[in-house]
Amino acid sequence: SAVISQKPSRDICQRGTSLTIQCQVDSQVTMMFWYRQQPGQSLTLIATANQGSEATYESGFVIDKFPISRPNLTFSTLTVSNMSPEDSSIYLCSARYRVGFEDTQYFGPGTRLTVL
Amino acid sequence: AQKITQTQPGMFVQEKEAVTLDCTYDTSDQSYGLFWYKQPSSGEMIFLIYQGSYDEQNATEGRYSLNFQKARKSANLVISASQLGDSAMYFCAMRVQTYKYIFGTGTRLKVLA
Repeated sequence: SAVISQKPSRDICQRGTSLTIQCQVDSQVTMMFWYRQQPGQSLTLIATANQGSEATYESGFVIDKFPISRPNLTFSTLTVSNMSPEDSSIYLCSARYRVGFEDTQYFGPGTRLTVL
Repeated sequence: AQKITQTQPGMFVQEKEAVTLDCTYDTSDQSYGLFWYKQPSSGEMIFLIYQGSYDEQNATEGRYSLNFQKARKSANLVISASQLGDSAMYFCAMRVQTYKYIFGTGTRLKVLA
């Protein structure tokens, strides 16, 4: 299976500040994804991080609030900008791996963000 | 509309017993994938099992099996011989549009000693 790491694992931030989350995967992948999981909720896709091009954002998410970088095939960052308490969530990155005929997303351990 | 439905917000099972977690899906696509993930209290999402829409055999991975009934559009997860470490949230997901995943609302499983 894939090995995906995220930093930080958790953080407590003040409103109005920004936090950058890093995601590292153990092999080159074409597609990486960022999800948000609000307390007690399911996962919602924020954006698809494409290497060498702009990220593709889902409805309700904008680049100014969630800028994403994808400098190479093993690394991506998500920034949560101008934070408010409503941004308190678990943020998860994932990577698309193809194993034989299977096409699976593996997830990092998540970043648990609390905004005061 | 493409949708995943998990109707059991919470389930209890006695240790060493088997348990079935329900998942139904809705899609008009002919090719899709169905997945189950486990999320312990630590927050990580752990991939458990995969079923392709064209697979005729039910998928199995150790103590996990997926009961795939295509006509009923259901993809239930069966955990055999439950262990205390199986206590977690379980999410069913469907891959659509070749790479996007849609997740259900999850089922919280508690294994009792």
